[in-house]
Amino acid sequence: AQKVTQAQTEISVVEKEDVTLDCVYETRDTTYYLFWYKQPPSGELVFLIRRNSFDEQNEISGRYSWNFQKSTSSFNFTITASQVVDSAVYFCALSEAMTGFQKLVFGTGTRLLVSP
Amino acid sequence: EAGVAQSPRYKIIEKRQSVAFWCNPISGHATLYWYQQILGQGPKLLIQFQNNGVVDDSQLPKDRFSAERLKGVDSTLKIQPAKLEDSAVYLCASSFSSAGGPFTGELFFGEGSRLTVL
Repeated sequence: AQKVTQAQTEISVVEKEDVTLDCVYETRDTTYYLFWYKQPPSGELVFLIRRNSFDEQNEISGRYSWNFQKSTSSFNFTITASQVVDSAVYFCALSEAMTGFQKLVFGTGTRLLVSP
Repeated sequence: EAGVAQSPRYKIIEKRQSVAFWCNPISGHATLYWYQQILGQGPKLLIQFQNNGVVDDSQLPKDRFSAERLKGVDSTLKIQPAKLEDSAVYLCASSFSSAGGPFTGELFFGEGSRLTVL
């Protein structure tokens, strides 16, 4: 069965600090996708990134970077030089080829609080 | 481009009453999802439509929840009768994904409908 674990419930940092959000997943499928979504206070989830299981290259997008390691079943998300606008709940999610990829299973989320 | 629209944003009802939520997806999106997000948890898929057909409703409590997507566009989620444990945010999402087509996993979410059952 597919499962996503985000052990960090809440993280508080001061602006300009770097912060890493952890994500550990479980799947029996060899082909799957991993995602990160951001949920700001307004409520709608916003897609940040998708990674397929065959691509372990790390990715950087501005202040955001993602570290995918199949050996440890982890897909961690780092925000460099955090800003107040980064305050939100961040969700890691997984979808599998067995379900046709259409079903996303979300973790419980990590609330990030960035104070000025 | 207009986003996913949901209404109402907030609803307070007493247990055993009924409630309905409406969702209008992004124009042209074939796939529509309803997720339930209980406070402190991640979203859980209730039902997924491909056009006006149901793809997955395995986690929908069918004794009290129902959903339809007539004409393959907007959708309604109904709860009848409501229980205390149904208190949650109900999120609607849509995506380009279509049967046999490329999968992006990029879902576009609405702001949700927050339900409080007293």
